[in-house]
Amino acid sequence: AQKITQTQPGMFVQEKEAVTLDCTYDTSDQSYGLFWYKQPSSGEMIFLIYQGSYDEQNATEGRYSLNFQKARKSANLVISASQLGDSAMYFCAMRGVSGGSYIPTFGRGTSLIVHP
Amino acid sequence: DADVTQTPRNRITKTGKRIMLECSQTKGHDRMYWYRQDPGLGLRLIYYSFDVKDINKGEISDGYSVSRQAQAKFSLSLESAIPNQTALYFCATSDKGSRGDTQYFGPGTRLTVL
Repeated sequence: AQKITQTQPGMFVQEKEAVTLDCTYDTSDQSYGLFWYKQPSSGEMIFLIYQGSYDEQNATEGRYSLNFQKARKSANLVISASQLGDSAMYFCAMRGVSGGSYIPTFGRGTSLIVHP
Repeated sequence: DADVTQTPRNRITKTGKRIMLECSQTKGHDRMYWYRQDPGLGLRLIYYSFDVKDINKGEISDGYSVSRQAQAKFSLSLESAIPNQTALYFCATSDKGSRGDTQYFGPGTRLTVL
């Protein structure tokens, strides 16, 4: 079975600084995808970034980058130049390619608060 | 207009009532999903459908049923609602092979069962 672990229930960052949100995963699949989603207080789930397990370069989407360390099974989200609007819950997720692992698995989330 | 819509957005009901939550999408995706979110537990998959004739149970399907009426429509039913089904429900869609089958979510339905 695959598993996602987000060990930081809450994080605080000063506006304009960078912040890293941790995510570790466990899977027996050789091919899998890793995702990050943002959930602001309004409740919607917003897709941020995707990393494939065979992608050699770390994914980047604007101010978001995914620090993918395959050997450590980690997929940390880095937000550069934090903005007040980045305050939200952030969820790490993964899905494999075979059998039950194709069902997406989500972590329990990290609450990020950006201070002015 | 939103690509994935859910109706209703909020619903309060009583124990034992039948409830249907509806999801529609204009993204043209074949794959659709229903999740529930409880505080501190992240998202858990209830049912998923990879095409109109394909329905699969997810992690927590007991007490729920679904219907895929068309490629663009996927509804979730609670046949006899109970209080521990109080949660935030999300519909999602994905396109096979696109960005690892990335899912795109609707705005959610807040369901309260009294």
